[in-house]
Amino acid sequence: QKEVEQNSGPLSVPEGAIASLNCTYSDRVSQSFFWYRQYSGKSPELIMSIYSNGDKEDGRFTAQLNKASQYVSLLIRDSQPSDSATYLCAVKSNFGNEKLTFGTGTRLTIIP
Amino acid sequence: ETGVTQTPRHLVMGMTNKKSLKCEQHLGHNAMYWYKQSAKKPLELMFVYNFKEQTENNSVPSRFSPECPNSSHLFLHLHTLQPEDSALYLCASSQPGLADREYQETQYFGPGTRLLVL
Repeated sequence: QKEVEQNSGPLSVPEGAIASLNCTYSDRVSQSFFWYRQYSGKSPELIMSIYSNGDKEDGRFTAQLNKASQYVSLLIRDSQPSDSATYLCAVKSNFGNEKLTFGTGTRLTIIP
Repeated sequence: ETGVTQTPRHLVMGMTNKKSLKCEQHLGHNAMYWYKQSAKKPLELMFVYNFKEQTENNSVPSRFSPECPNSSHLFLHLHTLQPEDSALYLCASSQPGLADREYQETQYFGPGTRLLVL
């Protein structure tokens, strides 16, 4: 059974629109949630982290967390072609335990 | 640049070869990680070192042998690998124990070593 699930895509979004990426997790005691962006042939880089229920905004990016539903999402406003990448959801169970569990990633394509 | 470097960037090896992957972090972090990334599969954590001590071995076959001589360097020694071990091997580092939770939990990745086992 997968611990972190994401729709693999590809997800195609027109330039300027909102891209919505979703992730569900199975471990109810998960405390920390991360979104990483990975361009083709490159390593993952952190986009957002979120720890409390609700929304967290950083520029064009908004992370949303609902622990009751075990659901975390990433919204990208005013999508740009440079946002085209694979987005990885990662979950960490215990504060102090360094183990991150990743989803398979969602491939996002922004269409000019 | 991420501050985490890996060498070599590409490696082709036969099943009877012995090779080593090297990771070096210039961020002053105390935790280092090896991950395996295969096509259409999630990033798989292999090993975790915290202050040079191995704290996680995620059921990795013994043909993969990690070594962490100090907090800045991490090696992955490879021997008698199988073709299914072909993947991107990523190193990461973080700084646990800091008061700033977001910074302490962020893992910074190196560029990876693309490994092909023939």
